[in-house]
Amino acid sequence: ETGVTQTPRHLVMGMTNKKSLKCEQHLGHNAMYWYKQSAKKPLELMFVYSLEERVENNSVPSRFSPECPNSSHLFLHLHTLQPEDSALYLCASSQGPGQYYGYTFGSGTRLTVV
Amino acid sequence: AQKITQTQPGMFVQEKEAVTLDCTYDTSDQSYGLFWYKQPSSGEMIFLIYQGSYDEQNATEGRYSLNFQKARKSANLVISASQLGDSAMYFCAMRGEPFLAGGGADGLTFGKGTHLIIQP
Repeated sequence: ETGVTQTPRHLVMGMTNKKSLKCEQHLGHNAMYWYKQSAKKPLELMFVYSLEERVENNSVPSRFSPECPNSSHLFLHLHTLQPEDSALYLCASSQGPGQYYGYTFGSGTRLTVV
Repeated sequence: AQKITQTQPGMFVQEKEAVTLDCTYDTSDQSYGLFWYKQPSSGEMIFLIYQGSYDEQNATEGRYSLNFQKARKSANLVISASQLGDSAMYFCAMRGEPFLAGGGADGLTFGKGTHLIIQP
């Protein structure tokens, strides 16, 4: 069982809905990440949190809003999404920002926007 | 900026054969880490192997080994004695020096992946 848990596993939402994705890790890691995985595209880094502070935001549209209330939890709040936002959203954590640390990934939330 | 290139979109391999998945990278960081992940159809990304840029020996983890050629900026994954359960997407990724250390990125950069199918 992965140390990073994502809920829900699947989500279908309309373009006017508001929903949230949740990620939880119990590995004692200090950094957490949101990635978007679309068909035929590389994984795209969306947000990086290190010690609960946002370190990096790769020009993600404002309809995606992250929240990191503590080092164990990460949320991605969604509102007024577009059909092209349909993708697999992966959460990951790592011990720190250094180049020696790999990630532990969750199983992802498969999002469909209708 | 960092870039990972995986030139094999898909591969078919007979069971029990060895397979090499190609990965080249580009970075201006002096210190970096290279990673391989496996993603089965369930979606979870599973860590396979890590190679540090200053490691003198190639990394090995069970049936996985990483053929690291620093001068060529190459980090190919070798799977020995492939099994049906090895069928999955495989991603090469790298991580450079973090922002606070003067690096250019603070996350893993992934290639587009290789879809490996093991045939009986």
